[in-house]
Amino acid sequence: DGGITQSPKYLFRKEGQNVTLSCEQNLNHDAMYWYRQDPGQGLRLIYYSQIVNDFQKGDIAEGYSVSREKKESFPLTVTSAQKNPTAFYLCASSIREATNEKLFFGSGTQLSVL
Amino acid sequence: AQKITQTQPGMFVQEKEAVTLDCTYDTSDPSYGLFWYKQPSSGEMIFLIYQGSYDQQNATEGRYSLNFQKARKSANLVISASQLGDSAMYFCAMRERNFGNEKLTFGTGTRLTIIP
Repeated sequence: DGGITQSPKYLFRKEGQNVTLSCEQNLNHDAMYWYRQDPGQGLRLIYYSQIVNDFQKGDIAEGYSVSREKKESFPLTVTSAQKNPTAFYLCASSIREATNEKLFFGSGTQLSVL
Repeated sequence: AQKITQTQPGMFVQEKEAVTLDCTYDTSDPSYGLFWYKQPSSGEMIFLIYQGSYDQQNATEGRYSLNFQKARKSANLVISASQLGDSAMYFCAMRERNFGNEKLTFGTGTRLTIIP
């Protein structure tokens, strides 16, 4: 089945450690996104990519990095510079059809700091 | 200024009643899209409905309809005949295009609780 796969489901980070969250899609979508969600709050855009080898910062990009070497993959690295990384991270991809648009989400990764 | 505003942090609605979740937006992009998503306690984001800025008619998907009032920049979600399974967080989102790049912005959400 087509969809977006995020892994791992749960991730723990030690102080000063970089961690990478995986996001893979087999929907052949050009656009991919990373969002952060804090408890009881909405989604905030971290990074997005419209095409391979190109990406743009979202509203809260500091302390994060991404790459888009393949259309299917958009990994997010949470660096040691991100001082408050504990959150729920959601990856998404989108496609625009003739009269409709669809945005699909992965099942998310919960990142916690040890 | 907030791009997407959801003014109802929480709502309680009796089962079988209709419910309206408010969403207002702000954009200068003439070609934009509006989405509603449902997020149950499991965390997954479930697509509910989409409205394009040039669509003449309000979008409908089963029990969901979008009350699109373009001049007022309003895109309220209406759920008819609410069910216990409708209890969840609901997010309104807007897609804009800035200099060829697309950007999606989400509101802060409304927590809907359906009362038996």
